[in-house]
Amino acid sequence: DAKTTQPPSMDCAEGRAANLPCNHSTISGNEYVYWYRQIHSQGPQYIIHGLKNNETNEMASLIITEDRKSSTLILPHATLRDTAVYYCIVWYYNQGGKLIFGQGTELSVKP
Amino acid sequence: DGGITQSPKYLFRKEGQNVTLSCEQNLNHDAMYWYRQDPGQGLRLIYYSQIVNDFQKGDIAEGYSVSREKKESFPLTVTSAQKNPTAFYLCASSRTGDGYNEQFFGPGTRLTVL
Repeated sequence: DAKTTQPPSMDCAEGRAANLPCNHSTISGNEYVYWYRQIHSQGPQYIIHGLKNNETNEMASLIITEDRKSSTLILPHATLRDTAVYYCIVWYYNQGGKLIFGQGTELSVKP
Repeated sequence: DGGITQSPKYLFRKEGQNVTLSCEQNLNHDAMYWYRQDPGQGLRLIYYSQIVNDFQKGDIAEGYSVSREKKESFPLTVTSAQKNPTAFYLCASSRTGDGYNEQFFGPGTRLTVL
């Protein structure tokens, strides 16, 4: 079973920041938080991951709370091409590489 | 360009026939994975392999078989024993080791069994 909880859908206006929340209250100390997104009928695309500290790359920022029970993916200036399903996943290497995908959040970016 | 290729993009088969889906990667990754996705659902792991000549069952392996004779290739066979094979199939690969599991996904194969 997925170890994360995400809202099923969200809307965002084009050009505004999209903040996607994820709850992972049972996360253990050595598990990472990963984010992927899947544009319709394509393979998922890796976005970002983190363990404890906030992370930023060219695509997004990841904010992890101090207790690590939740995180937020931030797309700073959402475009129409960011419309996709976003998956939040917790993972540790002793799971044999298994990524457990939940239902994700369907983000709709509107003009 | 490095990446993962899956072929074909669309596949139609008659019920009762076995069918093999191709997955090739030139990223020099040790690990490869097969996932299944049904409409409106997340991905579910079928099989994975962390090294050549070795593979493990995922959560929904029944009715499927795989082989890993080469590092670059991880074909999936959907057998007639799979009761509901119509789905979107995704192959992925990654490096292995602690702290690193960015999986790269192929474009997927949409299988329809008539």
